[in-house]
Amino acid sequence: NAGVTQTPKFRVLKTGQSMTLLCAQDMNHEYMYWYRQDPGMGLRLIHYSVGEGTTAKGEVPDGYNVSRLKKQNFLLGLESAAPSQTSVYFCASSNRGGRTGANVLTFGAGSRLTVL
Amino acid sequence: AQSVAQPEDQVNVAEGNPLTVKCTYSVSGNPYLFWYVQYPNRGLQFLLKYITGDNLVKGSYGFEAEFNKSQTSFHLKKPSALVSDSALYFCAIWGTGFQKLVFGTGTRLLVSP
Repeated sequence: NAGVTQTPKFRVLKTGQSMTLLCAQDMNHEYMYWYRQDPGMGLRLIHYSVGEGTTAKGEVPDGYNVSRLKKQNFLLGLESAAPSQTSVYFCASSNRGGRTGANVLTFGAGSRLTVL
Repeated sequence: AQSVAQPEDQVNVAEGNPLTVKCTYSVSGNPYLFWYVQYPNRGLQFLLKYITGDNLVKGSYGFEAEFNKSQTSFHLKKPSALVSDSALYFCAIWGTGFQKLVFGTGTRLLVSP
C-alpha cells in the first residue's frame, strides 16, 4: 500500500549540477503533478501530466523538465541547478479530472533539495 | 482564473477552544474547494472537500468547513482544538478544466496546552 513514493528524500547539489527526482505511484492514477513548497508561498505547481506521454507547464516551470514515459512514473529534472531551486518538492497523483471536481490528490512525502 | 487566499499566516488557539482557519476564493462558475493538512516533515493529507450540496461539510479528525457563497469563503472549523491539530493547513481549488489544483499560501495552526 505504497501510494506515492518519491526518491531521493534529500539531496545536496552544487550550482550547475543536474539531477532527476523520481515519483512513482501504484494507484493507476491518470494525473500526476510536481509542486514546490517554499516558506510563505505555499505550494506552486511546476509541471503536471494528464496521462502517459503528456506533460504541461504549471505556474513555475522555468529551469525544470519532466517526462511521463510510463503511467506510474513522473520524473522531474533539473538540468543546471541554481540556488533559487532550493526547496521541498512534492509529487502528487489523482484520478482523471471531471466536472464533479471531486478528485482528491495523494501526495508523496517530499524531497528536500539544497543547491549550494 | 481560479484562486484561493488564506489571510492569516498563523492562528493560535488554546486546547479545548474552537478554532477557525480562514479561506476565501475567487472563481467564475461553481467552486470545488478542498482543505489539506501537512504535519511536520510529511506530505499533504486530504481533510475535506466541498463540491455541491450542504454548506457545512464534515471531514477527517473532527474538522468541518462552512461554504458561504455570498462571502466567497470556505473557512475550516473545529469545535474543540487538540494540541495534535498543530500543523500547516492549505485551502485549494480546482482550476479550469479540472486539471490543476491551486493552493493557498497556507496557515500555520498552533494549539497550546
